[in-house]
Amino acid sequence: DQQVKQNSPSLSVQEGRISILNCDYTNSMFDYFLWYKKYPAEGPTFLISISSIKDKNEDGRFTVFLNKSAKHLSLHIVPSQPGDSAVYFCAASADVRAEKLTFGTGTRLTIIP
Amino acid sequence: EAGVAQSPRYKIIEKRQSVAFWCNPISGHATLYWYQQILGQGPKLLIQFQNNGVVDDSQLPKDRFSAERLKGVDSTLKIQPAKLEDSAVYLCASNLGPEQETQYFGPGTRLLVL
Repeated sequence: DQQVKQNSPSLSVQEGRISILNCDYTNSMFDYFLWYKKYPAEGPTFLISISSIKDKNEDGRFTVFLNKSAKHLSLHIVPSQPGDSAVYFCAASADVRAEKLTFGTGTRLTIIP
Repeated sequence: EAGVAQSPRYKIIEKRQSVAFWCNPISGHATLYWYQQILGQGPKLLIQFQNNGVVDDSQLPKDRFSAERLKGVDSTLKIQPAKLEDSAVYLCASNLGPEQETQYFGPGTRLLVL
């Protein structure tokens, strides 16, 4: 049972344009959501998070949007840069301490120069 | 600050053999996690330690997997005997404790079971 779904395995975006990565979840107990970025041969690194009491959180070029009624979140990267090319994982937790994370399957983002 | 260290980076074994992975978390991090990431999937939590105690091992296949963190610092994850379906990347992560949302991941150990 895949509780966190990233339906796009891959995405290609021109440098300078907006990248939008999507994530859907089924467990209504999830209360906290995170995005991780992973380069080849490295472990995932934390990017940005959002609590269910918010619908938007920004950090520089990265913005995460949460639509609780649709059980959907998205990560926007503006403008996209070549260094953003990586696999992005959406993760969810049923507590704000985010101790037990359920990850999605990941989306491979390729930024085209 | 040194990151989470894991060894070995790669391991190839035959089915029914045993294998062990080692993790050294970031200094001072009380919480340590082991994840299994099968190709094409996201990481799946296997076990969580708080200092040297187990907080959650509900998804650890205990008939073949074991993990310990005897002194509350380093940890080892063992598989005995290995099956073909255990081929995956095993990731170790750590954070300061229950109030820290960010988990810091090591580079992982890639295991191939033939």
